[in-house]
Amino acid sequence: DGGITQSPKYLFRKEGQNVTLSCEQNLNHDAMYWYRQDPGQGLRLIYYSQIVNDFQKGDIAEGYSVSREKKESFPLTVTSAQKNPTAFYLCASSIDLWGTDYNEQFFGPGTRLTVL
Amino acid sequence: RKEVEQDPGPFNVPEGATVAFNCTYSNSASQSFFWYRQDCRKEPKLLMSVYSSGNEDGRFTAQLNRASQYISLLIRDSKLSDSATYLCVVKPGGGNKLTFGTGTQLKVEL
Repeated sequence: DGGITQSPKYLFRKEGQNVTLSCEQNLNHDAMYWYRQDPGQGLRLIYYSQIVNDFQKGDIAEGYSVSREKKESFPLTVTSAQKNPTAFYLCASSIDLWGTDYNEQFFGPGTRLTVL
Repeated sequence: RKEVEQDPGPFNVPEGATVAFNCTYSNSASQSFFWYRQDCRKEPKLLMSVYSSGNEDGRFTAQLNRASQYISLLIRDSKLSDSATYLCVVKPGGGNKLTFGTGTQLKVEL
């Protein structure tokens, strides 16, 4: 089955530790994205990548880092510099950057990160 | 003013009711519009794109009003399984990032 997988589903981290969230897709999509969702707020863009070995900061990149060494993989590292890391993290992909007008972004099942 | 605004709800409706949500957007250059559905603690999934002429998919109808800068979603004959949060998503033209609304929560009750 084609799709996006994220792991782990739930993650607990002690304050001051870095943690890496996994995102893999087998849809052969060029573009991949990381969003953060907090209660009462819309999805906010953290980082995005149009193509392998290229990525750009989104609206809230501070305290996060990414890599895109393979087309199918776009891991997100939440560093200790991120002040409020507890959130629901969603990875998404689309055929090309942002998707064409009527092509959607597909989302993975998400990782719920809690910092203790 | 927020780029995309939605009434958070919740909308509590009886099964079989018709319910409508609106979503307003501030960027008049916006070109593409979508409704996503998000179940509790799950990822958003595309419900339908919104075409300029309006479009229907079964019990769901989406409309766009460019003059007043809003899109709407109408759900007829509500089912219990329609209970979810509905996210309004807007994309400006020229290849630009999506902007997500905060979502409208729908609860369909017996």
